[in-house]
Amino acid sequence: GESVGLHLPTLSVQEGDNSIINCAYSNSASDYFIWYKQESGKGPQFIIDIRSNMDKRQGQRVTVLLNKTVKHLSLQIAATQPGDSAVYFCAENTGANNLFFGTGTRLTVIP
Amino acid sequence: GAVVSQHPSRVICKSGTSVKIECRSLDFQATTMFWYRQFPKQSLMLMATSNEGSKATYEQGVEKDKFLINHASLTLSTLTVTSAHPEDSSFYICSAPSDRRSTDTQYFGPGTRLTVL
Repeated sequence: GESVGLHLPTLSVQEGDNSIINCAYSNSASDYFIWYKQESGKGPQFIIDIRSNMDKRQGQRVTVLLNKTVKHLSLQIAATQPGDSAVYFCAENTGANNLFFGTGTRLTVIP
Repeated sequence: GAVVSQHPSRVICKSGTSVKIECRSLDFQATTMFWYRQFPKQSLMLMATSNEGSKATYEQGVEKDKFLINHASLTLSTLTVTSAHPEDSSFYICSAPSDRRSTDTQYFGPGTRLTVL
């Protein structure tokens, strides 16, 4: 079946540094990917998305990169701030009205 | 952006009772809503797809008689956990796509923390 997983379950970065969170997926037919941020006790918050016909998309302080060849997705956060501390999930739209979530990476920003 | 609300945010109940959780889309209509559950330090697991005007679609392993879903209107879906037991304690989250023509971008509610004693 499909699987979306993350290489690193935890990531600690210094405030002001850039963060890179990685995600691998296995369903080559997936055509839409989303990154969500989840703070403790809250629902996931949409950050950025990307379709399979793109390999890079930029938002405010965030960039998502998609490498379809190796089925890899990454989220880059520039100038990481304490408010960025959260769990980050990548999600894959498998096409059947389903979002399949990865296991999550906890980002901790050290002041 | 699209706003999805849930009520209650937190509920504690006794074993054997039923609990209803509401999910509302506040500024848009949603013919489809999704219900997830999340255990501590784990990812979200899709439970079912709620369809306005028709029966919900349940994921494999999710008991439809245990988790009753009613999509009463284009802005409201409810999840009722019947005869709740301690193992049903979890974080329940709903989502809705912001575009009725596409389920691509889903916006999530704030979640409901259910604790069954």
